[in-house]
Amino acid sequence: KNQVEQSPQSLIILEGKNCTLQCNYTVSPFSNLRWYKQDTGRGPVSLTIMTFSENTKSNGRYTATLDADTKQSSLHITASQLSDSASYICVVKVSNYQLIWGAGTKLIIKP
Amino acid sequence: DAGVTQSPTHLIKTRGQQVTLRCSPKSGHDTVSWYQQALGQGPQFIFQYYEEEERQRGNFPDRFSGHQFPNYSSELNVNALLLGDSALYLCASSNGQGLTGANVLTFGAGSRLTVL
Repeated sequence: KNQVEQSPQSLIILEGKNCTLQCNYTVSPFSNLRWYKQDTGRGPVSLTIMTFSENTKSNGRYTATLDADTKQSSLHITASQLSDSASYICVVKVSNYQLIWGAGTKLIIKP
Repeated sequence: DAGVTQSPTHLIKTRGQQVTLRCSPKSGHDTVSWYQQALGQGPQFIFQYYEEEERQRGNFPDRFSGHQFPNYSSELNVNALLLGDSALYLCASSNGQGLTGANVLTFGAGSRLTVL
């Protein structure tokens, strides 16, 4: 069964600290992996898209990694800001129509 | 550059009623997908419209139907509402049928439906 699991479910850190969010997937066939940021009450916004051959991709203070052998991805946030408070969702593309969505990690940044 | 716009932003219905949600895609996009997102969960794919036809459908009953107009805007209709239909309904637009390559979905802010 195609599945995307994220951990932790929720995370609270102090402003300025770094954090890493995890995504494990059991999906076949794999096409690409996406990380989305979703602010409360808003639609998800794409942060990165990684293909099978990409190990690392950065978008400002966000760095995503992908290990296709172990089927794991991580999203590292550096020097967190209050505006980083949101849910971060890992999504794996299976086919031209099918995206498998994780439940997300709810990140809270405290001043 | 207008992104994806959805209406209404919030609405309350009672069981058994019908609801219509509306979506205007981002300028230059011709494909619209609809998602249901329950509280604390990731979005669940309902269906996708391209060239005014439903091209792919997720695991949702026939109570969920849709339409795409010649200007690429779309509607989601839900009949015989159940309490479990309470959710955030997200519209996402993209360019071209399916999700070819690294085709990125652009999401609207969603319509929050509460069924009492």
